[in-house]
Amino acid sequence: DADVTQTPRNRITKTGKRIMLECSQTKGHDRMYWYRQDPGLGLRLIYYSFDVKDINKGEISDGYSVSRQAQAKFSLSLESAIPNQTALYFCATVGSPNTGELFFGEGSRLTVL
Amino acid sequence: AQTVTQSQPEMSVQEAETVTLSCTYDTSESDYYLFWYKQPPSRQMILVIRQEAYKQQNATENRFSVNFQKAAKSFSLKISDSQLGDAAMYFCAVWVYNFNKFYFGSGTKLNVKP
Repeated sequence: DADVTQTPRNRITKTGKRIMLECSQTKGHDRMYWYRQDPGLGLRLIYYSFDVKDINKGEISDGYSVSRQAQAKFSLSLESAIPNQTALYFCATVGSPNTGELFFGEGSRLTVL
Repeated sequence: AQTVTQSQPEMSVQEAETVTLSCTYDTSESDYYLFWYKQPPSRQMILVIRQEAYKQQNATENRFSVNFQKAAKSFSLKISDSQLGDAAMYFCAVWVYNFNKFYFGSGTKLNVKP
């Protein structure tokens, strides 16, 4: 089983719908991140969390919200999806800040029609 | 602001040849790490190689090596003896310790020709 698991892997939805992308990890890491990948733009940070009470906005947080339900779970929500939120979304964790290695989930491809 | 620039959107290499992917970055922080990640069509993100900024010696991992020029803020990836399985998107990234964040480049798509 993957150390960082994302659900769903793929989702097609309609404009205005509420969508939740879930992430769970078995690595015991405190630091969790949500990234969005778009062609030609690389990965951009949406939100990140250092523990259940420490949640921070990234560079593109507008239109998104998150919930850190437990150390192992970090969910990303789109309250009212719009077509330009069509993208590949990655959840990732970091163990030690001294090494900084990111451990990625498998990605969730979201299409908003 | 921290920025990472990959100026080559797409590159091609013949199988068994060598290719170098370029990356430049900008940070005023002194404590950071540099990474190359590979993303094959399966979309999984795979760590290729890591370089600690405080180390002068260039990192190597089998056929993959880096040319780290700290003063120039350059971090290129060399792939030797290219294989068909090397075809993928490659992302350069910087981990800034004080911010606990990664900053990514826009990626380079590598094609490997048989």
